[in-house]
Amino acid sequence: GAVVSQHPSWVICKSGTSVKIECRSLDFQATTMFWYRQFPKQSLMLMATSNEGSKATYEQGVEKDKFLINHASLTLSTLTVTSAHPEDSSFYICSASFRVRTSGPYEQYFGPGTRLTVT
Amino acid sequence: AQSVTQPDIHITVSEGASLELRCNYSYGATPYLFWYVQSPGQGLQLLLKYFSGDTLVQGIKGFEAEFKRSQSSFNLRKPSVHWSDAAEYFCAVGARVDSSYKLIFGSGTRLLVRP
Repeated sequence: GAVVSQHPSWVICKSGTSVKIECRSLDFQATTMFWYRQFPKQSLMLMATSNEGSKATYEQGVEKDKFLINHASLTLSTLTVTSAHPEDSSFYICSASFRVRTSGPYEQYFGPGTRLTVT
Repeated sequence: AQSVTQPDIHITVSEGASLELRCNYSYGATPYLFWYVQSPGQGLQLLLKYFSGDTLVQGIKGFEAEFKRSQSSFNLRKPSVHWSDAAEYFCAVGARVDSSYKLIFGSGTRLLVRP
């Protein structure tokens, strides 16, 4: 259980275009999803927290107009990189969060990641 | 402020040898602690977690970790490493930040396995 999928797994786009990445929780409902960015040989950098039915909360320094997040349902969140530039090239990972026990903490399960290359 | 420190950037062990990856955390309340593994070009897989109770927790793939409150540590161990264990390992603490519950990650430790 607790499977999270991402689509596409890799994408190449031209500078100035937009690209959408989907994150789905396949066998559970996630009230909260997270979007991370990871540079080569580095740790994960949290970009934003996405709650179903409400606006995403962005981390300091992350441009919300460039990285549009939509959390339309309890199983789907999307990240759209608008007007992409080569510096947006990176590995983007989503996670979905849920509580195994009502009194316990939230656990995050991660998608396989999306490699974005902007040419 | 919450933080996680993984002091070893790289560790190299021989196949069959034992392994210990270090993790220290800073968190004011009772920590929820996690270890994740990431293979190249992949997402993160949860190895094990500590919430409460027994301080020695067992995970998948033969890994275990011990929570030591007095040392603010949550070190990951495996008695005999396999070549397939070569990967990046991340320690994380679950923390409530503002109104959200987030993971604070360490910088990761890359495990290399000698044949």
